[in-house]
Amino acid sequence: QSVLTQPPSASGTPGQRVTISCSGTRSNIGGNTVEWYQQFPGTAPKLLVYSNNQRPSGVPDRFSASKSGTSASLAISGLQSEDEAGYFCATWDDSLSCVIFGGGTNLTVL
Amino acid sequence: QPQLQASGPGLVKPAETLSLSCTVSGDSIINSPYFWGWIRQPPGKGLEWIGSIFFSGTTHYNPSLRSRVTISVDTSKNQFFLNLSSMTAADTAVYYCSRSAVQRVVRGGFHHWGQGTLVTVSS
Repeated sequence: QSVLTQPPSASGTPGQRVTISCSGTRSNIGGNTVEWYQQFPGTAPKLLVYSNNQRPSGVPDRFSASKSGTSASLAISGLQSEDEAGYFCATWDDSLSCVIFGGGTNLTVL
Repeated sequence: QPQLQASGPGLVKPAETLSLSCTVSGDSIINSPYFWGWIRQPPGKGLEWIGSIFFSGTTHYNPSLRSRVTISVDTSKNQFFLNLSSMTAADTAVYYCSRSAVQRVVRGGFHHWGQGTLVTVSS
């Protein structure tokens, strides 16, 4: 069981806006920055967001993220079929002194 | 843009020690301001951070694995390494090597990843 809680699945239709949540505690999300990763089957994760809401070069601005208190969320607007993938949140946990990941959310584009 | 390539045995026997290497190109580990790390993913499951190392040799480990993990670096070969002892079936996973996203800190994300190497623990 992951320290960070994500819904196991999410879905949306093309063009829709989808949000994926990530819930933590004061020792992790509450006091540290959050990252988001996208992963396709059989491939390495790709960093989508770091420092809560910053996108690395090349990540479309359809992907946005925010953090409030002990929760974070990733929003995908203008959903496309190629967005169908797994999405993981991550942060540092001060109590565990460890990088931790959410359990992941499988996004289906209907 | 750095390129990372993990390599090592695909099959390890229970109780043995796993040894993996990660070869870095397009960046020089020595004097790099980034941490270099290992993350693993059991088949069909989530991601687990194993640990990270700075070119100086400073290491940070996942407390749940600390007793079994050693991460080292060879700056002359531009490689870093993972040793994980007392392997069990629960250690079967794809092992990824990576470079951190933020300078001089372990936290902050992993921006560059190797392709991953599947390690199966079985007799």
